[in-house]
Amino acid sequence: DIVMTQTPLSLSVTPGQPASISCKSSQSLLHSDGKTYLYWFVQKPGQSPQLLIYELFRRFSGVPDRFSGSGSRTDFTLKISRVEPEDVGIYYCMHGMHVPRTFGQGTKVEI
Amino acid sequence: QVHLQESGPGLAKPSQTLSVTCAVSGVSISGSENYWSWIRQPPGKGLEYIGYISHTGYTDYNPSLRSRVAISADTSNNQFSLMLTSVTATDTAVYYCVRDRGWGFFDFWGQGILVTVSS
Repeated sequence: DIVMTQTPLSLSVTPGQPASISCKSSQSLLHSDGKTYLYWFVQKPGQSPQLLIYELFRRFSGVPDRFSGSGSRTDFTLKISRVEPEDVGIYYCMHGMHVPRTFGQGTKVEI
Repeated sequence: QVHLQESGPGLAKPSQTLSVTCAVSGVSISGSENYWSWIRQPPGKGLEYIGYISHTGYTDYNPSLRSRVAISADTSNNQFSLMLTSVTATDTAVYYCVRDRGWGFFDFWGQGILVTVSS
C-alpha cells in the first residue's frame, strides 16, 4: 500500500492569514498518462468529507480560489491563502493510483 | 444532482455480519463509468478505504479486508450494499458510501451511518 504522511497534524491559524499543509507519499503519484492522482478533502465538524482538490491542483466545483494544491511525484502541499472561519475542519490527502486508496492521517485546522 | 443515502442496522453483534445499503439518486449505478465505493471512519479516527463495485459489476477490495468483505449491486433499485463478516469491535465505524468517478475522484459522499459492534 502507498503510505500517505501529513504534517502538521494540527494547525492553529488566524483568520486572514495563510496556512499550509504538507503531504508525502511513499511512491510517486505521477501516472504515465501525465496526471498526478493526489486529492485533498476536508471534513468539517459533523459532516462527511468533501472534495477540495483533485489531480494535484484542480479545484473541485464550488471550491473557493483561496485553496490551491501543488507539488510533484511524492511531495504535495495544500495552501489556503487567507483562512476563513468556515475553513475549520480536518484536511486529508489521498492517493488515487490504485486500490486501496489510502489517506493521510489528517490535519486538524483550528481558528 | 447525485445523492447517496446509507441505511441499515446501527448495531451488529461480534462475530456476525454487518450489512449497509446505499441508495443512489440522480444517476444510474449501471449507466456510466463510475465506481461505487465504501469508506469507513472509526470514531475519532481517520478514513479507511474498503472497496468498490463498478458500473459493470466488477469489484475490488482493500486487501486488509478482502477475506471478510463483499460489495454487491441491486440495479433495479439503484442501490449497492456492503457486507462485512466476522465483525469485531474494531469494525465499529461510520460507514460512507461514495461515488468514485475513477482514480479516486470521490465527488459525492453519503452522510454516513454509524455501525457499532457490540453484544
